[in-house]
Amino acid sequence: GAVVSQHPSRVICKSGTSVKIECRSLDFQATTMFWYRQFPKQSLMLMATSNEGSKATYEQGVEKDKFLINHASLTLSTLTVTSAHPEDSSFYICSADDYGNRLIRGTEAFFGQGTRLTVV
Amino acid sequence: KNEVEQSPQNLTAQEGEFITINCSYSVGISALHWLQQHPGGGIVSLFMLSSGKKKHGRLIATINIQEKHSSLHITASHPRDSAVYICAVRHRDDKIIFGKGTRLHILP
Repeated sequence: GAVVSQHPSRVICKSGTSVKIECRSLDFQATTMFWYRQFPKQSLMLMATSNEGSKATYEQGVEKDKFLINHASLTLSTLTVTSAHPEDSSFYICSADDYGNRLIRGTEAFFGQGTRLTVV
Repeated sequence: KNEVEQSPQNLTAQEGEFITINCSYSVGISALHWLQQHPGGGIVSLFMLSSGKKKHGRLIATINIQEKHSSLHITASHPRDSAVYICAVRHRDDKIIFGKGTRLHILP
């Protein structure tokens, strides 16, 4: 089945630095990828929708200058947390749509394994 | 009221017991996912459903579109099944809405 690879799985960084998280679709092309964030003991919340070749669409309350999303190819989206602060420590996960199979198998969304970011 | 409600929030059971986790939603959906999240945070996709029932090993997932309800069953539960199980629905505008998860603890 389709696989989405997210890297790194864990990262610790110093306050003020930037961290890049990659989300790759390994065996399908993903025109749309989604980025989510999970605070402790809360459900995953959509941060932004990443569209290949165009600007990402951010959910209300998500700072686009802080969470930079780039979707330069059909198999890769990146989320960069800029000038990270301890309150950015969270679990980030991406999902990607396999539109190629959509008409055959219905809506397919595949999830990365997630990245746990700790800012110290 | 959350658009996706899971019950129970926490569940502790003995090894071997039959486990049921429920998910109710209030929006129109095109698909429903069951995900498993391990203590380190890593997520595994278990099922994607748009109708009926699916089975994979000891896991069974069902969905009733008319009642807007899905269940995840685990037969012959094992301590390694201990994890958070998350129900996520795909809204018709393509966005995915997650439940808060059910924390399952299987005692040996």
